[in-house]
Amino acid sequence: AQSVAQPEDQVNVAEGNPLTVKCTYSVSGNPYLFWYVQYPNRGLQFLLKYITGDNLVKGSYGFEAEFNKSQTSFHLKKPSALVSDSALYFCAVRDGNGGSQGNLIFGKGTKLSVKP
Amino acid sequence: EPEVTQTPSHQVTQMGQEVILRCVPISNHLYFYWYRQILGQKVEFLVSFYNNEISEKSEIFDDQFSVERPDGSNFTLKIRSTKLEDSAMYFCASSAFYEQYFGPGTRLTVT
Repeated sequence: AQSVAQPEDQVNVAEGNPLTVKCTYSVSGNPYLFWYVQYPNRGLQFLLKYITGDNLVKGSYGFEAEFNKSQTSFHLKKPSALVSDSALYFCAVRDGNGGSQGNLIFGKGTKLSVKP
Repeated sequence: EPEVTQTPSHQVTQMGQEVILRCVPISNHLYFYWYRQILGQKVEFLVSFYNNEISEKSEIFDDQFSVERPDGSNFTLKIRSTKLEDSAMYFCASSAFYEQYFGPGTRLTVT
């Protein structure tokens, strides 16, 4: 069965410091991995994805994520956090053997709090 | 930038009533999805829709649920007879390739 784990309920970072939000996954086939961000009273906004190719993928708002097959991880990173990055972050996965489409399995979310 | 829209933003209904949640996907997308998020829990997949038929559904999506694309722009989720446990945020999503784009959600409250 496919699953996603986000081990931290909350991550606290000072503005200007690097941030990491952790995600590990389990799928039977090739993983397609995604990060979404949710601001209060808003929908899920797509940040970035890993389908194939370079293990380091870059996305919106300066975020990047590193795919690590041996550790089955896809951690979200940013070199310098902003207060405006404070939000709820969701990691999602699906089995890539089904083609370009298919339902996403979400982690429970990690609340990122960036303090000035 | 095109985006997925959903109406209403909040729906309050009594147990046993029918509700229809509406979505307008991004115009050139062909794949449509409904997810829900019960307060404090994970976002869960309900159903996917392509070429005017359901392509996949979860065990949550029982006979009380149905989806429809009544015209070229709308995508609806109907719950025939709501239960208290249907109270959740319902998200519509659409996709052209790999990533799915989500609407702002409809908060459904069943009393």
